[in-house]
Amino acid sequence: GAGVSQSPRYKVAKRGQDVALRCDPISGHVSLFWYQQALGQGPEFLTYFQNEAQLDKSGLPSDRFFAERPEGSVSTLKIQRTQQEDSAVYLCASSPRWEGAGYTFGSGTRLTVV
Amino acid sequence: GNSVTQMEGPVTLSEEAFLTINCTYTATGYPSLFWYVQYPGEGLQLLLKATKADDKGSNKGFEATYRKETTSFHLEKGSVQVSDSAVYFCALSNTGKLIFGQGTTLQVKP
Repeated sequence: GAGVSQSPRYKVAKRGQDVALRCDPISGHVSLFWYQQALGQGPEFLTYFQNEAQLDKSGLPSDRFFAERPEGSVSTLKIQRTQQEDSAVYLCASSPRWEGAGYTFGSGTRLTVV
Repeated sequence: GNSVTQMEGPVTLSEEAFLTINCTYTATGYPSLFWYVQYPGEGLQLLLKATKADDKGSNKGFEATYRKETTSFHLEKGSVQVSDSAVYFCALSNTGKLIFGQGTTLQVKP
């Protein structure tokens, strides 16, 4: 597609529920990033893929967070046993190469844990 | 570690006023610097960038100069419009991943 597509746009989860957030990057983009943006804050890095390889997951806040990109295109961010502090907008970005200026961001998934 | 600090908002201006949004950074090495803009209901968009000291990034009337001596990358525009109302994020990258400031909300009134 023309841009980075994220689904769902909005997700309400009950505390303790598992959720899966999807990112469709721009076709052919090698690099894919996930960011978490809390209300009123800047995005914070979660994890990075180059093709199907997860090269950096240093930003994942706990072992409840898991990301995958098995075929080097679509990526899924999974959060197990959601907690209220997980409420945020989750942003996905893709790039044709390893360079910040090439990132294209999706519109994000707003997760609310109740 | 690497970090970015922006002036707190919201910044409220009248149309055609001069805009400055301050941004300073802490980083090892020689990072690239960016300004991103987020319009209501939309994703982050790259506004401008600078990759080395004394570079000036510019786009849509906005400018920012990479100042290594003051570790700053302040965003300026000579005459703002109502359509410039958005949240502006300063960011740096020197390992590929972007590190963002907390964002500054700009409101421009007619």
